Amino acid sequence: GQNIDQPTEMTATEGAIVQINCTYQTSGFNGLFWYQQHAGEAPTFLSYNVLDGLEEKGRFSSFLSRSKGYSYLLLKELQMKDSASYLCAVYSGAGSYQLTFGKGTKLSVIP
Amino acid sequence: IAGITQAPTSQILAAGRRMTLRCTQDMRHNAMYWYRQDLGLGLRLIHYSNTAGTTGKGEVPDGYSVSRANTDDFPLTLASAVPSQTSVYFCASSDSPRGWYNEQFFGPGTRLTVL
Repeated sequence: GQNIDQPTEMTATEGAIVQINCTYQTSGFNGLFWYQQHAGEAPTFLSYNVLDGLEEKGRFSSFLSRSKGYSYLLLKELQMKDSASYLCAVYSGAGSYQLTFGKGTKLSVIP
Repeated sequence: IAGITQAPTSQILAAGRRMTLRCTQDMRHNAMYWYRQDLGLGLRLIHYSNTAGTTGKGEVPDGYSVSRANTDDFPLTLASAVPSQTSVYFCASSDSPRGWYNEQFFGPGTRLTVL
């Protein structure tokens, strides 16, 4: 089976750093994705990790530990526009191109 | 057009009616997907297509059907709508995996209400 866990909601202050965690238990693993989704809009791609370690992309970084079934998304210098839901998704491969999504973490950035 | 388009943007439908949600992409992606998104449940895969001419069932396929006659179009049909199918529906597409990578691009969504 597939199980992906993320916190439901988080609140952080403008200018601060926030870490959103994701743990997964899936049958097969070929990569982990993070997507951002603003209210009423479509998800948009943020990052992709297939090997252990940290991937940095501007203010956003994503970390993966395959042995622990664990990832996090790190957002630095938070801005009000970062208020959104952040979705963790696992690509299990095995001949299919499907992603399995977690339920998402709603981040509220406050002044 | 560029990317993925979905139609209609929103729809109110009487229970028991038939409805087709349209999805078109112009990126020549091989794979396409239909998800529904419900509060507290996240994105759940309904059906997918790895390439034109093939389709497969996702996590929640009951009450839905799809076809993939060509690369660009992937319509989703509700044969006889029920209130539990009230949701936001997203279509997505991805290129065939280049190595391990499989970024999916999402359409703007269709908000469907079944009364």
